Amino acid sequence: AQTVTQSQPEMSVQEAETVTLSCTYDTSENNYYLFWYKQPPSRQMILVIRQEAYKQQNATENRFSVNFQKAAKSFSLKISDSQLGDTAMYFCAPSVNTGANSKLTFGKGITLSVRP
Amino acid sequence: DSGVTQTPKHLITATGQRVTLRCSPRSGDLSVYWYQQSLDQGLQFLIQYYNGEERAKGNILERFSAQQFPDLHSELNLSSLELGDSALYFCASSADVGVSNQPQHFGDGTRLSIL
Repeated sequence: AQTVTQSQPEMSVQEAETVTLSCTYDTSENNYYLFWYKQPPSRQMILVIRQEAYKQQNATENRFSVNFQKAAKSFSLKISDSQLGDTAMYFCAPSVNTGANSKLTFGKGITLSVRP
Repeated sequence: DSGVTQTPKHLITATGQRVTLRCSPRSGDLSVYWYQQSLDQGLQFLIQYYNGEERAKGNILERFSAQQFPDLHSELNLSSLELGDSALYFCASSADVGVSNQPQHFGDGTRLSIL
């Protein structure tokens, strides 16, 4: 079974600054993928970024990047040049390839507030 | 717009009742997933279907059931509803199964309120 820990329930950042959201996970599998989803006040679930566990290079999507440390089972999300629209709850979610299914296991989420 | 359509957006009903939530996946996606988001349990995986077949079960109660039809839309049936079933129910879809690099795209959810 997989477990996901997001130990910071709430974070706040000034607009235009950088913030890092932490996530650790536990899995016995070697082949998996990691995702960050955001959930703004509208309650939609929006994919932010994904990382293949077999790749050493950290994924980047515009202002969003990850710091993936496979041995430590750590998968943090860095948001650069924070914008008011980044205010949301952020969920870390690994997806393990079992060959039969690929369900996501979500952490409890981090509520990020971007201050003007 | 994720391309995943969930209906209805809101549902208010009473304890003991039965409801059906509907989901149409993105065009071309064969896998459908159901998740429950509640204040105390967070986001939990309920069940997954792939091309009409059940592929994985999570923390789904026996009072709940789901199916995926030949046109790939899916329905989640909740019966003998209790106050604790009040939650936001998400449907997600992805292109494949067992290929976990395929991201899941989520619908806007159905908010279920039990009075």
